[in-house]
Amino acid sequence: AQSVSQHNHHVILSEAASLELGCNYSYGGTVNLFWYVQYPGQHLQLLLKYFSGDPLVKGIKGFEAEFIKSKFSFNLRKPSVQWSDTAEYFCAAFAGNNRKLIWGLGTSLAVNP
Amino acid sequence: KAGVTQTPRYLIKTRGQQVTLSCSPISGHRSVSWYQQTPGQGLQFLFEYFSETQRNKGNFPGRFSGRQFSNSRSEMNVSTLELGDSALYLCASRMREGNGYTFGSGTRLTVV
Repeated sequence: AQSVSQHNHHVILSEAASLELGCNYSYGGTVNLFWYVQYPGQHLQLLLKYFSGDPLVKGIKGFEAEFIKSKFSFNLRKPSVQWSDTAEYFCAAFAGNNRKLIWGLGTSLAVNP
Repeated sequence: KAGVTQTPRYLIKTRGQQVTLSCSPISGHRSVSWYQQTPGQGLQFLFEYFSETQRNKGNFPGRFSGRQFSNSRSEMNVSTLELGDSALYLCASRMREGNGYTFGSGTRLTVV
């Protein structure tokens, strides 16, 4: 079955630290990949998406993600986090003809000032 | 432009009752999806509608149903509510495949 797994459930960082959140998907064909963020008390917002082309995708608020097909991964990165990045981060994937968006369980990020 | 609007924001129901949740997508968006979000299970896909037709359905019992109207607005209905149905129900819309989804703020349903 298609699935998305996020390696870290809880991450705690200090401001200015670098961030990398892992995401792996289980599907060998064409995939569309997304990272969403949910700030406390707010709705889910799209950070970035990958459909095709350059595997390094840049999103909003300084986030980027790299699609590595050989590793079935789509890790989210940010070189220097801020307190305002405290949120829950979700990785999601469309695979093949499946019109269901499959979600990871999310990673809760806390950034200490 | 206005975002995805879900009503009501909060709802408290008792076991056995039924509930209807409403979602108004962004103008021009014809695809509407529904998700259930709980702390233990994360985001679980319920169903997706496009042009009034259900295109895909998740693994939920038949008590969960939905529909989409000609103006793309969608409703979700849950009958014979159970305690385990307590969750945040999210609606998301998009214009077409190839676009990311835009989410509403959700309806927080509590079943007591």
